[in-house]
Amino acid sequence: SQQGEEDPQALSIQEGENATMNCSYKTSINNLQWYRQNSGRGLVHLILIRSNEREKHSGRLRVTLDTSKKSSSLLITASRAADTASYFCLHPGGGGSNYKLTFGKGTLLTVNP
Amino acid sequence: ETGVTQTPRHLVMGMTNKKSLKCEQHLGHNAMYWYKQSAKKPLELMFVYNFKEQTENNSVPSRFSPECPNSSHLFLHLHTLQPEDSALYLCASSQVPSGGEFLAATQYFGPGTRLTVL
Repeated sequence: SQQGEEDPQALSIQEGENATMNCSYKTSINNLQWYRQNSGRGLVHLILIRSNEREKHSGRLRVTLDTSKKSSSLLITASRAADTASYFCLHPGGGGSNYKLTFGKGTLLTVNP
Repeated sequence: ETGVTQTPRHLVMGMTNKKSLKCEQHLGHNAMYWYKQSAKKPLELMFVYNFKEQTENNSVPSRFSPECPNSSHLFLHLHTLQPEDSALYLCASSQVPSGGEFLAATQYFGPGTRLTVL
């Protein structure tokens, strides 16, 4: 399978704490994206990071990319109950196809008030 | 509101029924996607249309038949489905740059259709 992995699969923290989620992939990439999904709904784009970028910020979100390790991480700082959601990375699935977009299995984040 | 709408939001059908899911994007994008999200598997890309041409069919069974009549509309025709096809079906669109790098484009998702096959 060309599907990457996210870890942890589930994460439960208290409001105000930081949450870190990791994504691994198996092929070379030009871009990698992170998405968020509230329970049973459509996904919302968070950040796109390019292969020549090591780190990118958006508000309380920080994404890092390590192409040598084929991994990316998403850090949410000062978490809020409203951050409770599933978080997914999106990357190429390999096989030489530009179209084989592959979502990771996701991390379910629960932020307790 | 993401600019991508899906109808119906919920659908219950028997295995012998024929139904269609509809997706419409109001963003002027050139690519549209169907994804399947089931409880037992992660999000799976089913079909990709770029400039109305199907560019990807991820080994999807023939009981799922996509149709893209124009760049704003995407349908998924369903017939003789199985109970294991019960899932959330998500539609998305994006504006893919001229180089064709799909992952260089943000995808905008609809709210999904929750399908139950009895």
